[in-house]
Amino acid sequence: EIVLTQSPGTLSLSPGERATLSCRASQSISSNYLAWYQQTPGQAPRLLIYEISTRATGIPDRFSGSGSGTDFSLTISRLEPEDFAVYYCQLYGSSSRTFGQGTKLEIK
Amino acid sequence: EVQLVESGGGLVQPGGSLRLSCAASGFTFSTYTMNWVRQAPGKGLEWVSFISSSGTYTNYADSLKGRFTISRDNARNSLYLHMNSLRVEDTAVYYCAKGAGSKSWLIDYWGQGTLVSVSS
Repeated sequence: EIVLTQSPGTLSLSPGERATLSCRASQSISSNYLAWYQQTPGQAPRLLIYEISTRATGIPDRFSGSGSGTDFSLTISRLEPEDFAVYYCQLYGSSSRTFGQGTKLEIK
Repeated sequence: EVQLVESGGGLVQPGGSLRLSCAASGFTFSTYTMNWVRQAPGKGLEWVSFISSSGTYTNYADSLKGRFTISRDNARNSLYLHMNSLRVEDTAVYYCAKGAGSKSWLIDYWGQGTLVSVSS
């Protein structure tokens, strides 16, 4: 089973700064089936990115995804106050539905 | 607007059973895959189960070891999760989650969740 490891566990930044969140797979991923979700306290997760780099409907273009093989990242170009949340990467597909353990993005 | 409303959570003793329901609206339920995902208190997300749009194919997390059964009633726009032999470690918020297509494993919408507490 593929394990996804997210880093850092917590990222402290200020509004307006750039955030880069990492998601590393324990083995190379041959499909493009990697997604990112955002979860704010007390709320359900929201789909941000799928197929590594495709933004979901209604997601602002300050969010972008990239990567291949074992290393993937979510970048938020300029942080807005509503972006401070927990972010999860996920492999999806018939062979794996693993979530990473999450990265908490907090206000510095 | 996609709406997923879970119900059926509550407090149950270890070894007990529970059935969760999810009422779906705002989309053609019978043409989308569905999932259950759970989140233990203060923890991350854990995928639980998947069901095809027709209900003929199901898949489960290995850790469940046959204790949970996912099903759907397309005539009632409803998704279910039957949970047996519940353990303390099954305590979590259980989310009903919509697939992105008729054969898709991608989750694009989530309900607000229902809390299951397993305790004596």
